[in-house]
Amino acid sequence: DQQVKQNSPSLSVQEGRISILNCDYTNSMFDYFLWYKKYPAEGPTFLISISSIKDKNEDGRFTVFLNKSAKHLSLHIVPSQPGDSAVYFCAASSQGSNYKLTFGKGTLLTVNP
Amino acid sequence: KAGVTQTPRYLIKTRGQQVTLSCSPISGHRSVSWYQQTPGQGLQFLFEYFSETQRNKGNFPGRFSGRQFSNSRSEMNVSTLELGDSALYLCASSEGQGNTGELFFGEGSRLTVL
Repeated sequence: DQQVKQNSPSLSVQEGRISILNCDYTNSMFDYFLWYKKYPAEGPTFLISISSIKDKNEDGRFTVFLNKSAKHLSLHIVPSQPGDSAVYFCAASSQGSNYKLTFGKGTLLTVNP
Repeated sequence: KAGVTQTPRYLIKTRGQQVTLSCSPISGHRSVSWYQQTPGQGLQFLFEYFSETQRNKGNFPGRFSGRQFSNSRSEMNVSTLELGDSALYLCASSEGQGNTGELFFGEGSRLTVL
């Protein structure tokens, strides 16, 4: 049973446009959500996170939105740059198990020049 | 600060053998987690250690085990290897306290089981 789902295996956007990556979760105990980015032959790197007490968190070009009622979160990248091309993983954790992350299967983002 | 270091980076084993993977966390980090990444299942949590104690455990069989030493370095062991154990094994470290769960990953150890 996949508790964190990224239904789009891949996404292609033009440089300068907005990239929107989506993630759904089923476990209502999750209260902290993170996005990681992964380049080939490297480990994932932390990008941005959001607590369940918020509905939006922004860091430069990256914004994460959380809709708890829909159990849905999204990552917006504006403007998209070719260097953003990578696999993006959505992850979630619950209180008391903060360091046990449940990951989605990832979305490959390709930003075309 | 040096990042998370995993050794070996690549290894090939045959079915039935065992393997030990090593992870050196970022200096000062007391929590070490292990994840298995496969094309079909994505990143799956194996276990997490904090101050030499296993604090969280994923849904993997007992063939998968780990430990953490007093200097926070960690090892994981897989015994009686199966073909399905072929994967990228990722180690991640964090301070281990607080509510962020932000992890710093190593580059992984790619295990191939023949």
